[in-house]
Amino acid sequence: DVKVTQSSRYLVKRTGEKVFLECVQDMDHENMFWYRQDPGLGLRLIYFSYDVKMKEKGDIPEGYSVSREKKERFSLILESASTNQTSMYLCASSSGGSHTDTQYFGPGTRLTVL
Amino acid sequence: SQKIEQNSEALNIQEGKTATLTCNYTNYSPAYLQWYRQDPGRGPVFLLLIRENEKEKRKERLKVTFDTTLKQSLFHITASQPADSATYLCALGTNAGKSTFGDGTTLTVKP
Repeated sequence: DVKVTQSSRYLVKRTGEKVFLECVQDMDHENMFWYRQDPGLGLRLIYFSYDVKMKEKGDIPEGYSVSREKKERFSLILESASTNQTSMYLCASSSGGSHTDTQYFGPGTRLTVL
Repeated sequence: SQKIEQNSEALNIQEGKTATLTCNYTNYSPAYLQWYRQDPGRGPVFLLLIRENEKEKRKERLKVTFDTTLKQSLFHITASQPADSATYLCALGTNAGKSTFGDGTTLTVKP
């Protein structure tokens, strides 16, 4: 079974803090994704990566950056957290190399920025 | 602009009935479409995938149809049970491996 883990289920930070969200997958997947999910807005793609050290912007990259130094690990960074970044953050991975890619999601991190 | 619409935010049905959820899209040419289930406080879980050249796919009590002319997918759960209560998301995929998700429909099955 594919397992995608996220470093925290719940996180509370203060405005202006630097925040790191970590995601690890254990299935040697090529692709990894970061989404945020908000009521009424659905799942929105922040960044994704097709390979180590490669990243591409999604639909809402502003205020975020990512890092993929190893294939299994994809980190989301909030350089200076703001209250409008309070949300549920979901990481996903997929095998890649195919045009029918199923995404496997982690349990999510609920981030609150005060 | 590209848009994905899932019928209603909430759908309430009686146990044993068939639940039908709709996913409509505009300005997309998806290579495939997927349906996911999401329970409160958890990440989405993959259920079914249907390709653009397929009309229908089944898995146990689940059935998905895909009409690229109407730009619509229907997701059916037959003999529904309270345990089927969850939010169901459709996702349109392209050959680039990226998917775009709808907002979801929350299904409640009443005993």
